[in-house]
Amino acid sequence: DTAVSQTPKYLVTQMGNDKSIKCEQNLGHDTMYWYKQDSKKFLKIMFSYNNKELIINETVPNRFSPKSPDKAHLNLHINSLELGDSAVYFCASSLSGGQADTQYFGPGTRLTVL
Amino acid sequence: AQSVTQLDSQVPVFEEAPVELRCNYSSSVSVYLFWYVQYPNQGLQLLLKYLSGSTLVESINGFEAEFNKSQTSFHLRKPSVHISDTAEYFCAVSDQGGYNKLIFGAGTRLAVHP
Repeated sequence: DTAVSQTPKYLVTQMGNDKSIKCEQNLGHDTMYWYKQDSKKFLKIMFSYNNKELIINETVPNRFSPKSPDKAHLNLHINSLELGDSAVYFCASSLSGGQADTQYFGPGTRLTVL
Repeated sequence: AQSVTQLDSQVPVFEEAPVELRCNYSSSVSVYLFWYVQYPNQGLQLLLKYLSGSTLVESINGFEAEFNKSQTSFHLRKPSVHISDTAEYFCAVSDQGGYNKLIFGAGTRLAVHP
């Protein structure tokens, strides 16, 4: 059983388009996250939701909008895609959002903007 | 602000040799420390974490890490590596206040050769 799943796995699109990445977890966790991993493998948190409430919102362009319809899902919508948005995006979840919690990561979505 | 420095971007090693992956952090508050591993084309998974108590923590697959508060380090070691240990290793911290916001190092690529 997949604990944290993301769709699609690969996404290739043109500059200026709008795209969404979906994430689902079946672990019963309360907290979900989005991370961006750049071409040098550097990982940076973008957003975190706890029970559908936004709790972490890093300095991310407002073209990125997370949406959490329920605590098992956290989607990422990106408007007006730019070349610099090309990266691997990882979704993760943790039990309660506590600082000591283990985060469980999805397999990633490789976004390529042409 | 917190930061994590992984001193080696790549560590090549022969199978059955010992290895140490170095991690130093800076923080003005108490932290929790984590090592995550990313196998090729996969998401990250927790290897081990230090929360409190004994400064030496172990994983189920033979890795161990020691928390050294005076040197602000959390180096990862394994006495004898296998080919299957080839992966990217990330050190991360989260502070003990606020939400579970992991700050990652840039990663160390461990390449185990036969």
